[in-house]
Amino acid sequence: SAVISQKPSRDICQRGTSLTIQCQVDSQVTMMFWYRQQPGQSLTLIATANQGSEATYESGFVIDKFPISRPNLTFSTLTVSNMSPEDSSIYLCSVHGGQGNTGELFFGEGSRLTVL
Amino acid sequence: TQLLEQSPQFLSIQEGENLTVYCNSSSVFSSLQWYRQEPGEGPVLLVTVVTGGEVKKLKRLTFQFGDARKDSSLHITAAQTGDTGLYLCAGERAGGFKTIFGAGTRLFVKA
Repeated sequence: SAVISQKPSRDICQRGTSLTIQCQVDSQVTMMFWYRQQPGQSLTLIATANQGSEATYESGFVIDKFPISRPNLTFSTLTVSNMSPEDSSIYLCSVHGGQGNTGELFFGEGSRLTVL
Repeated sequence: TQLLEQSPQFLSIQEGENLTVYCNSSSVFSSLQWYRQEPGEGPVLLVTVVTGGEVKKLKRLTFQFGDARKDSSLHITAAQTGDTGLYLCAGERAGGFKTIFGAGTRLFVKA
């Protein structure tokens, strides 16, 4: 298993501003995943962050809106840029589970953003 | 269109009742996971099923993976109020590495 810490846990933001969410893992991992969970909805993958290369974005998500950094094997940030009320969601960082457990994900507690 | 169709989306039952949640797809999955999420927290892994026909039990929860590895079910026996939460099925398609989530089942168990 992995212990994942996210900051901030919640924030209220003004329209047009940007916010950076941090994700710290207690072990070195190759891939880190950023998910969005809109109110009452399931999880949608935003992008996969790999250390040493550009993040890979899913359809409907672009780097200008959700820039990602991955400076080392234990840390990543996701920025939500030029926010609008439609960006109000929970943003979750996750990593794959341990050896031999492909597909299993461990999640941070999430960052709940409310955009006014 | 959801790649993983999860049903029902919402379930409200009395304590002590049994329930089953279904997760179906037309695609083959190399593995399927079930997660439970409570308000203010991230999803927590309950179980992974890998082999077609596999059945796993976790106390009052029984998980089954379809023979063709395209579907799965979660059965809860004698539900308790502590079972309340959002249940998510998720999986990796055969040959892929991205995890896909179902729409989720919001379970509310009344005392």
